[in-house]
Amino acid sequence: NAGVMQNPRHLVRRRGQEARLRCSPMKGHSHVYWYRQLPEEGLKFMVYLQKENIIDESGMPKERFSAEFPKEGPSILRIQQVVRGDSAAYFCASSPPSPYRAKNIQYFGAGTRLSVL
Amino acid sequence: GIQVEQSPPDLILQEGANSTLRCNFSDSVNNLQWFHQNPWGQLINLFYIPSGTKQNGRLSATTVATERYSLLYISSSQTTDSGVYFCAVEQETSGSRLTFGEGTQLTVNP
Repeated sequence: NAGVMQNPRHLVRRRGQEARLRCSPMKGHSHVYWYRQLPEEGLKFMVYLQKENIIDESGMPKERFSAEFPKEGPSILRIQQVVRGDSAAYFCASSPPSPYRAKNIQYFGAGTRLSVL
Repeated sequence: GIQVEQSPPDLILQEGANSTLRCNFSDSVNNLQWFHQNPWGQLINLFYIPSGTKQNGRLSATTVATERYSLLYISSSQTTDSGVYFCAVEQETSGSRLTFGEGTQLTVNP
């Protein structure tokens, strides 16, 4: 798990504010995934990105959520106008680029715990 | 989409006991990973095991892909093994995302 860095570790927001979660993948990894874990549940896929491209966003809520992975800098998961139901742990994972992805092993960060008051 | 079922949902052991956790999945997979989520919430990679058997210290895992299940064995359990164990699979037809089971909550008492 060493190498996937997420910040902040904990984030408190009031209803209606914006939350920005950051993820720096492991060195050399160009694929990033975001997952959400609601209390007492397993992780659910949200979005899969490569540099400057969203590959699969089938797990993202249709409104208020967006993600990016720019050419330079970390991947950002942005939640606008947060509501209490957004309170969860948000995990980022990364995996290596092709042609090294015969083994698509995903390595996870420590997560960001978002609390909405 | 693919279904991933883990059993048992909860398991309580005395230190030193052995245990077997099971993961059943409903379709062919490219990737299967086992994770341990410790009490601090961190997700630790245990095994990448789409097929075959692997061992790492007191832990071992076996995946029988043709029968669509995987087993995680924990021997001589320790209190530090407590936490939630997740199985996650990458379906052959669904791209690269992982689908997680609901986990097995393991408590090891001293």
